[in-house]
Amino acid sequence: KNEVEQSPQNLTAQEGEFITINCSYSVGISALHWLQQHPGGGIVSLFMLSSGKKKHGRLIATINIQEKHSSLHITASHPRDSAVYICAVRFSGSARQLTFGSGTQLTVLP
Amino acid sequence: KAGVTQTPRYLIKTRGQQVTLSCSPISGHRSVSWYQQTPGQGLQFLFEYFSETQRNKGNFPGRFSGRQFSNSRSEMNVSTLELGDSALYLCASSSSPGAASAEKLFFGSGTQLSVL
Repeated sequence: KNEVEQSPQNLTAQEGEFITINCSYSVGISALHWLQQHPGGGIVSLFMLSSGKKKHGRLIATINIQEKHSSLHITASHPRDSAVYICAVRFSGSARQLTFGSGTQLTVLP
Repeated sequence: KAGVTQTPRYLIKTRGQQVTLSCSPISGHRSVSWYQQTPGQGLQFLFEYFSETQRNKGNFPGRFSGRQFSNSRSEMNVSTLELGDSALYLCASSSSPGAASAEKLFFGSGTQLSVL
C-alpha cells in the first residue's frame, strides 16, 4: 500500500530554534512536495524534490531516495513560521496522483 | 500575475442537493487538479485535468465529477450531497503534466463546503 507518514504530528518551539519535520514513504516515488498551510486554508508549495537538497531562505529540504525519507528544516524559527506543514508524494507508476501525509502542526512561540 | 482563483469561498448546502465549484488557474497554466481536505482524512486527491481531458482520478464515488474548459478554467460538481462531503475543496494549477520533477503546484484558497 502506498503510504506517507509524517512526524511529529505537533511541534512547539521557541523562536530561534532549529526545527525538523520528517516524512517517510513506503515505495519508490517520482517527486516529493513540501507544502505549508496557514489558518484559513491557503496552501503554498515550498519545495519539490526528486533527489538531493534544496534551500530557500531559512528553509532546507532534503531527500534520501534509498531510505525513502525526507526532512524539512527551518533554521532560526520565527512565530510567522507557525503553520501546518504537509508532505506529499507522487508514487512511481501512479501517474500524477499526489498522496499526502497527515501534516505537522508547528507553533513557534515568541 | 494573478493567482489561482476559486469561487465561491464558502458554500452551505443541504443533503441531496448538488454543488458546482469553480477554479481559474494561473494564466498560461493548463493543468488543474482538485483535492478534498477534511479533519478526519486530511488531503485527498480528487482528479486532474489537462487540455480539457481528465488525466487521473482519485478514489471517490461517481457523485464527484469535473470538467475543464478550453480556457483551462475547471469546475467540479458533487451531486446528491452527503453530510460527509463537508470539506475544504482545493484546486491547484501547474504549467504542464510533463516531467513530474519539473512541476510546481500553485494552490487556490479553497471553497469551504458545509452540508447540513
